[in-house]
Amino acid sequence: RKEVEQDPGPFNVPEGATVAFNCTYSNSASQSFFWYRQDCRKEPKLLMSVYSSGNEDGRFTAQLNRASQYISLLIRDSKLSDSATYLCVVGSGASKIIFGSGTRLSIRP
Amino acid sequence: GAVVSQHPSWVICKSGTSVKIECRSLDFQATTMFWYRQFPKQSLMLMATSNEGSKATYEQGVEKDKFLINHASLTLSTLTVTSAHPEDSSFYICSGLGGLAGSEQYFGPGTRLTVT
Repeated sequence: RKEVEQDPGPFNVPEGATVAFNCTYSNSASQSFFWYRQDCRKEPKLLMSVYSSGNEDGRFTAQLNRASQYISLLIRDSKLSDSATYLCVVGSGASKIIFGSGTRLSIRP
Repeated sequence: GAVVSQHPSWVICKSGTSVKIECRSLDFQATTMFWYRQFPKQSLMLMATSNEGSKATYEQGVEKDKFLINHASLTLSTLTVTSAHPEDSSFYICSGLGGLAGSEQYFGPGTRLTVT
């Protein structure tokens, strides 16, 4: 079993739709959680950190469920510019950081 | 936000030659930097963790004598691909650890290496 698992997608949704991704992790001692966004042939960029209490940034909401060992990302009112690959990242200390393989999202007009 | 630069952004080299890629944290000090490789349509694969002033820690399957990493200062890490082969052609991305808790990764723009 992979340490961090994501549904690879692709998710193909219409503009304006709400879409959610989950990411599961196997190490219960994991301490830090992030969502990154990667556009084609570009480097990943930090989208948001995921806190125990959950956090929201505009149309994006991230949640952490420690009991079930997953994090989620919800995108509301999706825009064409949201099309990208979304990477789940789980950290167990400063030097142990694992990337998920990414979920591809495609927003259609 | 924290900025990381990489140089060069792309390079074409002949088989058998060596290529050095630089990774710099421009506005923060990165005690720890990471080197990743990404093949087309695949996820990032961690190659090694680079700590300032000490030897890098390589992931399983990554040859330390082929991929030389030097992290001589808090703002610079270098990756040298020695005796490059066509199968080393890939997108190499570095990142530095920063942020308030020192656990957020900030990525460089990547270096696209093509070995002919």
